[in-house]
Amino acid sequence: DIVMTQSPDSLAVSLGERATINCKSSQSVLSISNNENFLNWYQQKPGQPPKLLIYWASTRYSGVPDRFSGSGSGTDFTLTISSLQAEDVAVYYCQQHYSTVRTFGGGTKVEI
Amino acid sequence: EVQLVESGGQLVQPGGSLRLPCVASGFTFSDYWMSWVRQAPGRGLEWVAYINQDGSETSYMDSVKGRFTISRDNAEKSLYLQMNSLRDEDTAVYFCARGHWWLEKWGQGTQVIVSS
Repeated sequence: DIVMTQSPDSLAVSLGERATINCKSSQSVLSISNNENFLNWYQQKPGQPPKLLIYWASTRYSGVPDRFSGSGSGTDFTLTISSLQAEDVAVYYCQQHYSTVRTFGGGTKVEI
Repeated sequence: EVQLVESGGQLVQPGGSLRLPCVASGFTFSDYWMSWVRQAPGRGLEWVAYINQDGSETSYMDSVKGRFTISRDNAEKSLYLQMNSLRDEDTAVYFCARGHWWLEKWGQGTQVIVSS
């Protein structure tokens, strides 16, 4: 199975500052067939189900604020929150769909 | 409005069985792949299984292969997870979600506790 490793486990960021979350896959999730990275990002707030933020590593899902951005390719990916808002306090997960056995990263908790 | 509503979660003894339904509304259920994801108490997300539109293609995480079965009834707009030979480590909130590449809509989840 493809192992997804996130770092850091948690981080504290001041309001209005940048938050950067890293995700590393144990093998490349870049598809040769369509040149897309099979990598998604989700946000989960306490007591709620996750919400999709980013797919194809860098495409924002409908309605997601543009302060959220995804980057990276192959095995190394980053989720950036450009200017942290109070409502962004949550746990963030990366997930690969390159393999038929999907896997999530362990999560990164973002606090103020 | 897209809605996914899971139910069926309860306390069950190790070795027991449970069937979780997820009822969909607000979209054409038969057009979409569907997935199950779980989350143990205080832990991260763990993908469990997915199924294609007509039920002919499925995939499972290694630790549930041979014990869990994902299925669907498009006429009833329902997704199911049949869980057999349950273990303590299957204790989790189980979410159903629309999609199998990215999971764009999620239910609120149903709690399964495996304990003697």
